[in-house]
Amino acid sequence: GAVVSQHPSRVICKSGTSVKIECRSLDFQATTMFWYRQFPKQSLMLMATSNEGSKATYEQGVEKDKFLINHASLTLSTLTVTSAHPEDSSFYICSAMTGTGIAETQYFGPGTRLLVL
Amino acid sequence: GESVGLHLPTLSVQEGDNSIINCAYSNSASDYFIWYKQESGKGPQFIIDIRSNMDKRQGQRVTVLLNKTVKHLSLQIAATQPGDSAVYFCAEILTGGGNKLTFGTGTQLKVEL
Repeated sequence: GAVVSQHPSRVICKSGTSVKIECRSLDFQATTMFWYRQFPKQSLMLMATSNEGSKATYEQGVEKDKFLINHASLTLSTLTVTSAHPEDSSFYICSAMTGTGIAETQYFGPGTRLLVL
Repeated sequence: GESVGLHLPTLSVQEGDNSIINCAYSNSASDYFIWYKQESGKGPQFIIDIRSNMDKRQGQRVTVLLNKTVKHLSLQIAATQPGDSAVYFCAEILTGGGNKLTFGTGTQLKVEL
């Protein structure tokens, strides 16, 4: 099946610094990528939808200036958590969708664990 | 629906027994549903899907049932194995709405030997 990777898998940073997380589709082109956040013992919450070459669409309550998303190519989307604070500590998961628009072709990455001290 | 609180519902089953995991979805207009399995520290893994024009679909050792009248989904796992231990999420989609997944609360399945 299609493979989606994330880098880094785990990151620890100091409060106030920025952290970039990469999401790559390894063997297919992803016209759309999604970014989710998951707190411990909770479900995945969609943060934003990223389409290649255009601005991301953010869900209500997600600060676009704090969570910068770039989808510069059909195989790479990045999420930058700017001026991270301890409450941003979470598990960040991306998914990549092929152009068919069928939901079953949305493939998830392995997640990135962010800990802000 | 959205998850609230810090405790996932837990289902404990004996190895070899059948498991039934339930999910209530929120949007009566959703027309596509998926079950995912998430192991600790990993991303969700697709298990099985069902469209709203169906009420049952079977896969290998898994069956999904859809009751649109009460907006309820269930996932049945036959002959549960230790490797089935994970958190299971249902997700709903309104196709044509950007294919955005809305995840349910999740259920922790623990398989006892």
